[in-house]
Amino acid sequence: KAGVTQTPRYLIKTRGQQVTLSCSPISGHRSVSWYQQTPGQGLQFLFEYFSETQRNKGNFPGRFSGRQFSNSRSEMNVSTLELGDSALYLCASRHGTGQGVAGYTFGSGTRLTVV
Amino acid sequence: DAKTTQPPSMDCAEGRAANLPCNHSTISGNEYVYWYRQIHSQGPQYIIHGLKNNETNEMASLIITEDRKSSTLILPHATLRDTAVYYCIVRVLNEGSQGNLIFGKGTKLSVKP
Repeated sequence: KAGVTQTPRYLIKTRGQQVTLSCSPISGHRSVSWYQQTPGQGLQFLFEYFSETQRNKGNFPGRFSGRQFSNSRSEMNVSTLELGDSALYLCASRHGTGQGVAGYTFGSGTRLTVV
Repeated sequence: DAKTTQPPSMDCAEGRAANLPCNHSTISGNEYVYWYRQIHSQGPQYIIHGLKNNETNEMASLIITEDRKSSTLILPHATLRDTAVYYCIVRVLNEGSQGNLIFGKGTKLSVKP
């Protein structure tokens, strides 16, 4: 079955702009999480959505936001981009219910470069 | 969430078993041990998880000590494609619960020919 799909794969933006990243989870997965990976901070949790509701949020400024649609697809948005937002943004999905403690499946990520 | 400690790097000869240790001395009774790996420029890949008993799947084996304060991930016959950063994560990820993975720095495993 298809994995987690993230688009676009690469993105270059200018400081001050905003960006929207997209994630399509595995079919049937209702939980979608977002992570940021940088060389300095490693992998850091941004937020998790389940059934269109944000149910957990990491320690990031309000410039980082997300949403989930009724088909479980998710988007994250970063406004007023800063150079430090350059990172690999990863999306992960899991079933959320029924399978209990099933692990996450990650996408290949979107590499954002802010110039 | 319990904190984990892993060696920063390890080497392994191709074809030999790779044994990756993880200490989690503050683990609580309902926390699972998860292992993920990340091959360069890709998203992390789930490997295996366990609560108390040893577990085995097509990728690896997970050995958890009786007191649950440490565990070892075993790749029985390492190949060059197993070169990656391996993360040991301790977390409660029950059905319906808030779930996020807390990644440490992991162990960079280099499999050499």
